Amino acid sequence: HSVLTQPRSVSGSPGQSVTISCSGTGSDVGAYPYVSWYQEHPGRSPKLIIYGVNKRPSGVPARFSGSQSDNTASLTISGLQAEDEALYYCSSYAGTYTYVFGNGTQVTVL
Amino acid sequence: QVQLVQSGAEVKKPGSSVKVSCKASGGTFDTHAINWVRQAPGQGLEWVGGIIPMFGTSTSAQSLLGRVTLTADESTTTTFLELSGLTVEDTAVYYCTTVARFGDGWDHKFDPWGQGTRVIVSS
Repeated sequence: HSVLTQPRSVSGSPGQSVTISCSGTGSDVGAYPYVSWYQEHPGRSPKLIIYGVNKRPSGVPARFSGSQSDNTASLTISGLQAEDEALYYCSSYAGTYTYVFGNGTQVTVL
Repeated sequence: QVQLVQSGAEVKKPGSSVKVSCKASGGTFDTHAINWVRQAPGQGLEWVGGIIPMFGTSTSAQSLLGRVTLTADESTTTTFLELSGLTVEDTAVYYCTTVARFGDGWDHKFDPWGQGTRVIVSS
């Protein structure tokens, strides 16, 4: 059911940076400034970490950042930490009060 | 900050229906839309649908082919997801989450999330 395409996994050593891409279309990612990113640890509910493409909610570390170019959004984790190991999902508003998610990316801290 | 508390786990037979509830506290229905997202075992997140309680209007994913009914009870600030014609593919954890009003529109971000309700469909 995933509409947005993410890499299945990315990995990095502590302190390194990793970037996750989220590829959509001109009907979702490319059409609205409403891409958000969610972090999911096993057994926990997803947590919002980026919204509106590049905004961080209060309490989310500054090492998480978002960007977008045309139909592709990206999440960068700078200065990777052990607790960042989790699943990450992008989501985009797709018009008419509908939304789509990406297939999810497993981030592994080596 | 809105908090969401969902109903407990359900086990259903194929072909039956399930109704899951989500009670909101700490906010008002005037300023939030309630959305539902599900996650099948080992799979990703899938948007199921959303309801704007203030207006009583709802939308749902086309993939669910009209099997979704979303309702809201403003008196108890509780929303309900009913899914009919259950198949084993509907086995998942169902989350409710909010989208908040922002100016004349919506912020289109899912925050916060409920604790999830596990629905198991099995014969």
